Amino acid sequence: DADVTQTPRNRITKTGKRIMLECSQTKGHDRMYWYRQDPGLGLRLIYYSFDVKDINKGEISDGYSVSRQAQAKFSLSLESAIPNQTALYFCATSTWGQGLSTDTQYFGPGTRLTVL
Amino acid sequence: AQTVTQSQPEMSVQEAETVTLSCTYDTSENNYYLFWYKQPPSRQMILVIRQEAYKQQNATENRFSVNFQKAAKSFSLKISDSQLGDTAMYFCAFMSYHWGGNEKLTFGTGTRLTIIP
Repeated sequence: DADVTQTPRNRITKTGKRIMLECSQTKGHDRMYWYRQDPGLGLRLIYYSFDVKDINKGEISDGYSVSRQAQAKFSLSLESAIPNQTALYFCATSTWGQGLSTDTQYFGPGTRLTVL
Repeated sequence: AQTVTQSQPEMSVQEAETVTLSCTYDTSENNYYLFWYKQPPSRQMILVIRQEAYKQQNATENRFSVNFQKAAKSFSLKISDSQLGDTAMYFCAFMSYHWGGNEKLTFGTGTRLTIIP
């Protein structure tokens, strides 16, 4: 089973609709992230959370909100979707501390969102 | 703010050949990691290799190796004996770190690599 899962994998919606993208992880990581990928722009950070009580804005947070329901769950909401939010969205997790894998971010499979 | 530059939008190479993807970065930080991620057509982001800036030795993972030049702020990825499954978009990424601080990844714009049979 995948360590980081995202639902839905694909979504088509209309302008003005509220959309929630969900991310769950079984890696036991404390840190979770939401990124957006647009063609030619790489991945850009939307929001990140270092624990359940910690939420931080990334470089492109306008128009988005997040909720960290538990250590393993981090959801991204588009309160009123607009066409330029059409993109591929990734969730990622990491942990901090000792060990070779710390600070490395592991990504979910992505959600392709289309806003008409 | 950190920036990551990948100056080769697309590359192609014959199967079994060696290819090198370039990446440069700009930072004033001393403590950081550098990564290469692979994104095949399945769109999954897969970690290829990681380099700690304090290590002088270049990281290697099987057919993948890096040439890390800290003074030049250069971090290239070499793929030896390339295989059809290496066809993907490759992203270089940077992350500074501090004790208990805010570690965030900054990505380059990617290089699309095609392995030709």
